[in-house]
Amino acid sequence: DAGITQSPRHKVTETGTPVTLRCHQTENHRYMYWYRQDPGHGLRLIHYSYGVKDTDKGEVSDGYSVSRSKTEDFLLTLESATSSQTSVYFCAIRRDLTDTQYFGPGTRLTVL
Amino acid sequence: DQQVKQNSPSLSVQEGRISILNCDYTNSMFDYFLWYKKYPAEGPTFLISISSIKDKNEDGRFTVFLNKSAKHLSLHIVPSQPGDSAVYFCAASAGAGSYQLTFGKGTKLSVIP
Repeated sequence: DAGITQSPRHKVTETGTPVTLRCHQTENHRYMYWYRQDPGHGLRLIHYSYGVKDTDKGEVSDGYSVSRSKTEDFLLTLESATSSQTSVYFCAIRRDLTDTQYFGPGTRLTVL
Repeated sequence: DQQVKQNSPSLSVQEGRISILNCDYTNSMFDYFLWYKKYPAEGPTFLISISSIKDKNEDGRFTVFLNKSAKHLSLHIVPSQPGDSAVYFCAASAGAGSYQLTFGKGTKLSVIP
């Protein structure tokens, strides 16, 4: 258990609405990540952060933005949700001095 | 291009037998490899890892083998149990400076009682 929580756990929204997902960690790890998981695609990196206010894009960043104003919180925002963003979103942390990432429980997002 | 490939989307194994899950990679810069296990409606759970300086790593019923020349790794589960039924993801890292993992698409393992 890496002390990661995600909220909300489930969300249904409509096309065009903004959505923010929250990831919270309790262990003060520097690196945090947002992934999406879709059938046939595995886990794909959206954005990651390497410190407060320090973020970078991943493989599938279009349509997403992130913010990290505190070490413990990493927010993922869909400015205007589309049906193609229906997915399960996972947050992860990287423990210092290792390459191993530990994942949160996920948020299932449905965009109608 | 897919740098980490799990060519078998699914695998069925009888309880008590060996499960072998395979993973191939193309990026020669990868030097650290991990396996994750994922149950439905849960996040992926770290299972076992191996550094490129080794060719084998064991943890209980789980063993990961790395063949660097073939750019291939495999996860052996012996003996397989029904609770091992899950999706298994292979992941790779290009070293301390990358801070990122590249994942395969996963293999769904079903262990039949």
